[in-house]
Amino acid sequence: AQKVTQAQTEISVVEKEDVTLDCVYETRDTTYYLFWYKQPPSGELVFLIRRNSFDEQNEISGRYSWNFQKSTSSFNFTITASQVVDSAVYFCALGISGTYKYIFGTGTRLKVLA
Amino acid sequence: EADIYQTPRYLVIGTGKKITLECSQTMGHDKMYWYQQDPGMELHLIHYSYGVNSTEKGDLSSESTVSRIRTEHFPLTLESARPSHTSQYLCASSGPVLNTEAFFGQGTRLTVV
Repeated sequence: AQKVTQAQTEISVVEKEDVTLDCVYETRDTTYYLFWYKQPPSGELVFLIRRNSFDEQNEISGRYSWNFQKSTSSFNFTITASQVVDSAVYFCALGISGTYKYIFGTGTRLKVLA
Repeated sequence: EADIYQTPRYLVIGTGKKITLECSQTMGHDKMYWYQQDPGMELHLIHYSYGVNSTEKGDLSSESTVSRIRTEHFPLTLESARPSHTSQYLCASSGPVLNTEAFFGQGTRLTVV
């Protein structure tokens, strides 16, 4: 079965705090792809990162960083020094090799308070 | 910057009306998708297309239908709207490379009264 679990439904932090959004995935495929998207109040999903199953190297992009661990089937997303503009719903997604479909988690709503 | 557009952004319509939600992309992507997003945030795939004249039903059963006559256009139609169709509808597209990221439109928030 293919599945993505985002156990945190909603997180509230105070501005400048660090916050980690958890993502756990399930798949029997050896080749797969993981994504994170941000959905601001305006509604569209904004692509943040794509990672394939053969690349476990962590990635940092400004205040954003991603920790991919195949041993725990996790692909966690950390925002350092959070800002109010980071307030959004964040989705983790799984893409199965050989298909064009994406399996989304249920999303985590992040509220950053000033 | 993604170039995928959905119209209208908001629609309030009476029960029994026929509606078409428009989705267009200018990226030449062959794959296109429709997702329904419930108030609990979860995204459900209701239709997808691999190219012109190709349409498939998604994981969530939907009374809507889609067509793909042109690469850039993937409209969704409800023949007879009902209050249970009230939801956010998101259109997306992805390019020819396998497992590349999908680009999303801003969505149509549909309310059926």
